[in-house]
Amino acid sequence: AQRVTQPEKLLSVFKGAPVELKCNYSYSGSPELFWYVQYSRQRLQLLLRHISRESIKGFTADLNKGETSFHLKKPFAQEEDSAMYYCALADSSYKLIFGSGTRLLVRP
Amino acid sequence: DTEVTQTPKHLVMGMTNKKSLKCEQHMGHRAMYWYKQKAKKPPELMFVYSYEKLSINESVPSRFSPECPNSSLLNLHLHALQPEDSALYLCASSQTRDRIYGYTFGSGTRLTVV
Repeated sequence: AQRVTQPEKLLSVFKGAPVELKCNYSYSGSPELFWYVQYSRQRLQLLLRHISRESIKGFTADLNKGETSFHLKKPFAQEEDSAMYYCALADSSYKLIFGSGTRLLVRP
Repeated sequence: DTEVTQTPKHLVMGMTNKKSLKCEQHMGHRAMYWYKQKAKKPPELMFVYSYEKLSINESVPSRFSPECPNSSLLNLHLHALQPEDSALYLCASSQTRDRIYGYTFGSGTRLTVV
């Protein structure tokens, strides 16, 4: 069965420090992976999708099929990055399955 | 229009009431979804509609009844809910050919069952 694991409930860093939010998945097919962000009192927003290999707000994520990982990284965290981050996997039946989420807290 | 619009934003209902949640999108997406999100938890899938037909029901109790009248609208009819059903209900939509572009979420309806 497909599964998304985010091992850290909370990640606290100082402004300007590097950030890595971990995500591991299990899926028998070819996965489609996403990172979603939910700022306080705002809707879920798509941050990144693995297929596009883009950088949004300084965040990047690389799919590592050997390690079944899709970690989210940013070299220099900003206070406005504080939010809940969800890694998600889409399967062939259009189901989008979320990990448990990691709350990122960037301290001044 | 690149948004999913949900109404109402807040709803308080008694356990004997009947109410409906509404979701609308005009992006031409042919897959639409209902998710339930409890506080500090990830969204949990409830239903998937593909081309206006119900394709997935994640063993949701029958007191939740989805409806997709056309390709732009998705409703969730509520009847005889329990207090534990209080949550944020999220609607989402996506293309069906290119899921790689992601799913667009509405801002949700915050439901309180009293």
